[in-house]
Amino acid sequence: EAQVTQNPRYLITVTGKKLTVTCSQNMNHEYMSWYRQDPGLGLRQIYYSMNVEVTDKGDVPEGYKVSRKEKRNFPLILESPSPNQTSLYFCASSGSGSWNEQFFGPGTRLTVL
Amino acid sequence: QKEVEQNSGPLSVPEGAIASLNCTYSDRGSQSFFWYRQYSGKSPELIMSIYSNGDKEDGRFTAQLNKASQYVSLLIRDSQPSDSATYLCAVIGDNYGQNFVFGPGTRLSVLP
Repeated sequence: EAQVTQNPRYLITVTGKKLTVTCSQNMNHEYMSWYRQDPGLGLRQIYYSMNVEVTDKGDVPEGYKVSRKEKRNFPLILESPSPNQTSLYFCASSGSGSWNEQFFGPGTRLTVL
Repeated sequence: QKEVEQNSGPLSVPEGAIASLNCTYSDRGSQSFFWYRQYSGKSPELIMSIYSNGDKEDGRFTAQLNKASQYVSLLIRDSQPSDSATYLCAVIGDNYGQNFVFGPGTRLSVLP
């Protein structure tokens, strides 16, 4: 089954404790993105990647890091999480053949205390 | 800062009516426009994409784009209760085609 998977789906952590949210896709897609969704603000792009080792900042990259060492994986790293990073996070991927059709993962709900 | 604006709603329409959802964007250079549907607690899914001025129809959905007015809309004909969801407008502004900017979404409620 073609899908984007994220882990964990739910996470409660404390301020300053480094964490990684994994994202993996099995569709051989070139493009991957991370978004956060907050009430009233909609989806905001954090980082995106055009291909392996190629990443760029979205609209809200502060406090986040990403890496793209393999085509299928695009982890989101919070080196020192803060309460304002409490949010619902989505990973998405799309292929060069239909570059605009993003497939979204199920989401990760993160709470930083 | 590129912005995409939508009425937050809720927009309530009776079953069988036409639902009209609107979106405006600030970046005049934007090239590609999308409508996503998001059910409560679920991830967004693409409904329509549109790139040229005018109308694009797909089943009960019609997307309309007016680049001069920086306006894109989504019409849902014969609305069904299953259409009740939040509808997100998204715009791509850059040449690479991956810097998506989303609006805050409009919540649609279709009343039986």
